[in-house]
Amino acid sequence: ILNVEQSPQSLHVQEGDSTNFTCSFPSSNFYALHWYRWETAKSPEALFVMTLNGDEKKKGRISATLNTKEGYSYLYIKGSQPEDSATYLCASDMRFGAGTRLTVKP
Amino acid sequence: DAGVIQSPRHEVTEMGQEVTLRCKPISGHNSLFWYRQTMMRGLELLIYFNNNVPIDDSGMPEDRFSAKMPNASFSTLKIQPSEPRDSAVYFCASSPRLAWETQYFGPGTRLLVL
Repeated sequence: ILNVEQSPQSLHVQEGDSTNFTCSFPSSNFYALHWYRWETAKSPEALFVMTLNGDEKKKGRISATLNTKEGYSYLYIKGSQPEDSATYLCASDMRFGAGTRLTVKP
Repeated sequence: DAGVIQSPRHEVTEMGQEVTLRCKPISGHNSLFWYRQTMMRGLELLIYFNNNVPIDDSGMPEDRFSAKMPNASFSTLKIQPSEPRDSAVYFCASSPRLAWETQYFGPGTRLLVL
């Protein structure tokens, strides 16, 4: 994998559903994996930074895991709320993925 | 701290005009980044400075784009001459020390070239 890739591109869920999305990144010369939350008409805000294989981070209903050997990270949202609607970006060093656009319907 | 400050927030100009975008990073941060966001290409890194020195400018589209960081608290991104395809949101971000640390983004400058 030469670039940072995210899937799915977009996701629509109902309020209360749990969801997850994937970030794949080059596993060679790895320093850190970042997740950002980007609301429409605002700027990206940092959620997590992970550096070690097996790292898990949690903030409220949102958590993330990291596998540096195989080059992927998962972001989980438990019990999605409408205010979780945003684009979730992952970045490996300075390379950003295209993001997953999450829409949570009330 | 006020966070990363960008100006102007919006810019409308005519093709061929010079455009200058400005950024003030968070005080004490040593790394500064310029990004361009478009629908087609997402968030693209244009240039990265560390301690005021350009480290990676491979993302700068062409010679019409130039960036400077004369001191630790100020950077500019200049487009001369501007073209309609330059229309995008330009973000500036800073990080405490190294490129791979968490970046703090400014509000962006929305540029429209007519």
